[in-house]
Order: sequence, then structure tokens, then C-alpha cells
Amino acid sequence: SQQGEEDPQALSIQEGENATMNCSYKTSINNLQWYRQNSGRGLVHLILIRSNEREKHSGRLRVTLDTSKKSSSLLITASRAADTASYFCATDRNYGGSQGNLIFGKGTKLSVKP
Amino acid sequence: NAGVTQTPKFQVLKTGQSMTLQCAQDMNHNSMYWYRQDPGMGLRLIYYSASEGTTDKGEVPNGYNVSRLNKREFSLRLESAAPSQTSVYFCASRQDRLFQGPQETQYFGPGTRLLVL
Repeated sequence: SQQGEEDPQALSIQEGENATMNCSYKTSINNLQWYRQNSGRGLVHLILIRSNEREKHSGRLRVTLDTSKKSSSLLITASRAADTASYFCATDRNYGGSQGNLIFGKGTKLSVKP
Repeated sequence: NAGVTQTPKFQVLKTGQSMTLQCAQDMNHNSMYWYRQDPGMGLRLIYYSASEGTTDKGEVPNGYNVSRLNKREFSLRLESAAPSQTSVYFCASRQDRLFQGPQETQYFGPGTRLLVL
């Protein structure tokens, strides 16, 4: 069963604009991770935010986490055509000690037009 | 340092045929994973191996078997392929399943596209 659900399913923007993707999940987590997948390629890790963190930055990426709402958002600022890809959130669920297996959402397909 | 490699890249099978998907990592990671990705879906975990010599079922294990041959290699076998197993298969690795720190992320291979007719 999918733990994370991204919103929107697809997003099309112009180069230079900001892109915001949201992720909702269902159960208690240890951390939430965002991955990028270019067409026909494997997934690449972007950023990880722990359950006790509220915001994290990495370059042009900003991730927020609201555990009370069980949601996260990924913001890509000043987008580039090279950012065109699918973006997935993945949750590391808290089984009361057991951890490490990620549950992936269905992804947001981002298209950045030059 | 190749990271995670998978072979083959693409395979066509007939219903009932068997095949093994190979995965290897050169990062000395303890944990390895097999996922499948279907159109419009995220990744679903088939099997994982927390360490050499151990394997466990994930969300969708039916119709698959795995072998953790050694620390580097983790193979996925389809004994009798079915059209429902048409998918893209990804192998991933992680330093340690229970390790908390910068190495909590998973590293993915390029995928194997499997078509079962």
C-alpha cells in the first residue's frame, strides 16, 4: 500500500519559476525523503528530513515537514529545464524501532519549459 | 566506483519462462532492495536483504524469489513469468538498514525493463 501521495500528479512551469510539490502520508515516520527520477533512469536521492525537523534546505531545494498534518512539501526555486523529472516522496515508517524500508508515493511529474 | 549495476537492461519473456535479474553494488552496503515500478505508480518493494544471508518479503513478493549471493550481489528470480510482472525493476542499496545518519538514503540502479508476453 502506498504511504505517500504526491500532489499535483503533474506540473508544468516556465524556466525561472518556482515549483512546489506536496506529499501526504498516513502513519508515524522516522524521516521523509525526496527522490528525483529522470526519464528512463533510476532514482536519485535529493534530501532527507527527520521527524523532529520542520524545514531543510539544500541548494535550490527547500523541504518542509508538518508531522501534525502528516504532510511535506518540496520547493524548487528558480527552476531550470534540467529539473524536468518525476519527483517522489518516500517515508521511512516508524514501526516502533524497526526502520529502513521506504514507502514511495506515486510521484509528481515536473516539466520545466525553456 | 560504479555504484549499483543491474543486468540485463531490457528483457522480453514469454508467459511461463523463467529468468534472473542481477544486481551488484560496490559501496560495501549491508542492505539491498528490489522494487518494481508500474506506470503512474511509485516504487513497490518486492524483497529486501538487511545483510548477507538474510532476505525478507516486502509489499509484493508473490511470484518472485531472491538470493543474497554475497555482500555485493542480490538477485531476483521469476520462476514462471506472467504478464502481470511486466514492469521496470529497480535494485537499490543502503549502508545499513538500522543505521541513522547521513547514510540513510538508498542508492538505485538504472533499472531493468521486463516485458512478459
